[in-house]
Amino acid sequence: DVKVTQSSRYLVKRTGEKVFLECVQDMDHENMFWYRQDPGLGLRLIYFSYDVKMKEKGDIPEGYSVSREKKERFSLILESASTNQTSMYLCASSLFVSGGRTEAFFGQGTRLTVV
Amino acid sequence: DQQVKQNSPSLSVQEGRISILNCDYTNSMFDYFLWYKKYPAEGPTFLISISSIKDKNEDGRFTVFLNKSAKHLSLHIVPSQPGDSAVYFCAASQSGTYKYIFGTGTRLKVLA
Repeated sequence: DVKVTQSSRYLVKRTGEKVFLECVQDMDHENMFWYRQDPGLGLRLIYFSYDVKMKEKGDIPEGYSVSREKKERFSLILESASTNQTSMYLCASSLFVSGGRTEAFFGQGTRLTVV
Repeated sequence: DQQVKQNSPSLSVQEGRISILNCDYTNSMFDYFLWYKKYPAEGPTFLISISSIKDKNEDGRFTVFLNKSAKHLSLHIVPSQPGDSAVYFCAASQSGTYKYIFGTGTRLKVLA
């Protein structure tokens, strides 16, 4: 079974702090993603990476950055946390398949509260 | 601009009956569609997918239908069970891109 593990289930951080969310997958997937889930807005893509050190912005990258130094690990960084970044953060990974027809596997999520 | 839309935020169904969850998309370049199920405080889990070369895919109690001309897909769950109560997300992707675009979700409640 594919396992995507996020380092924390729950986090509480103060406004202005730098926050690191870590994600590790164990299936040698090329693609990794960070989404946030908010009520009424579904899952929105923040950043994704299709290879080590490669990254692309998703739909809502403002206020975030990412790092992928190793294939199995994808980190999301909140440069200066703000209360509007309070959300459920979901990491996912997928295998590269020519034509792109494969599913993504998700971690258990990190509920981040910024106070 | 919401490219994938789930217009029903919630749905209640009696146990044993059919649940039908709907999803519309606007981008005609999408060619792969997925359904995910999500329980509270957990990550989404993959349920079923369909390629644009098909109009139906079935897996046990779950069937996904795709109507390309209408840019519409639906998930049928028969028979519905209380354990199916969750939020369901549809997602779409396009060949040559890596990302998945998700809808806003439909909360399904199956009543015992």
